[in-house]
Amino acid sequence: GAVVSQHPSRVICKSGTSVKIECRSLDFQATTMFWYRQFPKQSLMLMATSNEGSKATYEQGVEKDKFLINHASLTLSTLTVTSAHPEDSSFYICSASGWETYEQYFGPGTRLTVT
Amino acid sequence: GENVEQHPSTLSVQEGDSAVIKCTYSDSASNYFPWYKQELGKGPQLIIDIRSNVGEKKDQRIAVTLNKTAKHFSLHITETQPEDSAVYFCAALYQKVTFGTGTKLQVIP
Repeated sequence: GAVVSQHPSRVICKSGTSVKIECRSLDFQATTMFWYRQFPKQSLMLMATSNEGSKATYEQGVEKDKFLINHASLTLSTLTVTSAHPEDSSFYICSASGWETYEQYFGPGTRLTVT
Repeated sequence: GENVEQHPSTLSVQEGDSAVIKCTYSDSASNYFPWYKQELGKGPQLIIDIRSNVGEKKDQRIAVTLNKTAKHFSLHITETQPEDSAVYFCAALYQKVTFGTGTKLQVIP
């Protein structure tokens, strides 16, 4: 099956710093990648959708200048949380889908803790 | 936009029994309905999906049914095992995926 990796799996950073999370599709070309945020015991909330080579489309209420998304290749997307604050602490999950397919394959997630 | 409701929020079953999780959706244009299993601290894993032109799909102990008229779909797990314990999410897709609120399934040995 399709494999998506994320790095790092856990990260702790100080308030005011920036953190970059990588999402890679290992065995298929991901034309579209999605970034989700999940709070404890809650569902996944879509933050943004990115297509390779295009600017990301952000969901309502998600600050594009705070959550920078880059999808520079068919196998890599990055999410940078800029000037992180404790309220940004969450579980961030990416997913990827390929050519003309509905299926999304999820990465293992990144636990971000901002102190 | 799409709204997906999922019930129950928690479900406990004895090992070997069946488990059923139900979801309803609001947008009749939705045409793809995946189910995900999420274990603690991990990303969701696609376990089965169904498209709008199909009423039922089965994969070993897992089956999904879809009623487009009523706009609801269900996940059925038979002969449950302790390793089935996890949180299950349904989802509906039209242009983008909308997730249900999740069901925490506990299979008691």
